[in-house]
Amino acid sequence: RKEVEQDPGPFNVPEGATVAFNCTYSNSASQSFFWYRQDCRKEPKLLMSVYSSGNEDGRFTAQLNRASQYISLLIRDSKLSDSATYLCVVIGGATNKLIFGTGTLLAVQP
Amino acid sequence: NAGVTQTPKFRVLKTGQSMTLLCAQDMNHEYMYWYRQDPGMGLRLIHYSVGEGTTAKGEVPDGYNVSRLKKQNFLLGLESAAPSQTSVYFCASSYLGSNQPQHFGDGTRLSIL
Repeated sequence: RKEVEQDPGPFNVPEGATVAFNCTYSNSASQSFFWYRQDCRKEPKLLMSVYSSGNEDGRFTAQLNRASQYISLLIRDSKLSDSATYLCVVIGGATNKLIFGTGTLLAVQP
Repeated sequence: NAGVTQTPKFRVLKTGQSMTLLCAQDMNHEYMYWYRQDPGMGLRLIHYSVGEGTTAKGEVPDGYNVSRLKKQNFLLGLESAAPSQTSVYFCASSYLGSNQPQHFGDGTRLSIL
């Protein structure tokens, strides 16, 4: 089982739609979680950290469920510019290193 | 602001050739990392450094060496390139601690023929 698993997609949604991605992790000792965004042929960029109580940044909401070992990203009112691959990142418990998921591809259609 | 700069951006090598990828950051970050990204695999950590003069192995270190002689630079070397090392290589840095958000360079696309 991979340490971090994501649905690769693609998620094809119309503009204005709400879309949610989940990411599961295997190490219950993991302590820090992030969502990164990666545009085609570009470098990953930090989108937001994920806090235990959940957090919101504009149209983006991140949540953590420790009991079920998953994190989620909700995007409201999708824009064409949201089209990208979203990477789930987990800090491994023993190694304290970032472990990246393979990413979920989002394509927002006009 | 330059941030994290990688050179070169593209390179084609023949099997057995050697080369060095350079990563430079101007943010005074202590931690630096080298990743490779392959289709369906996600980013995998090759080597990392927690400070000037120190390096450590990551998840996939075989076939690579690194050096951190200066705080701002982190070099990744391929002594004898193999086709399996064809990949996109990303350098990243973070201020303190590997649990801090990382800033990435824009990548080096390397093809080994």
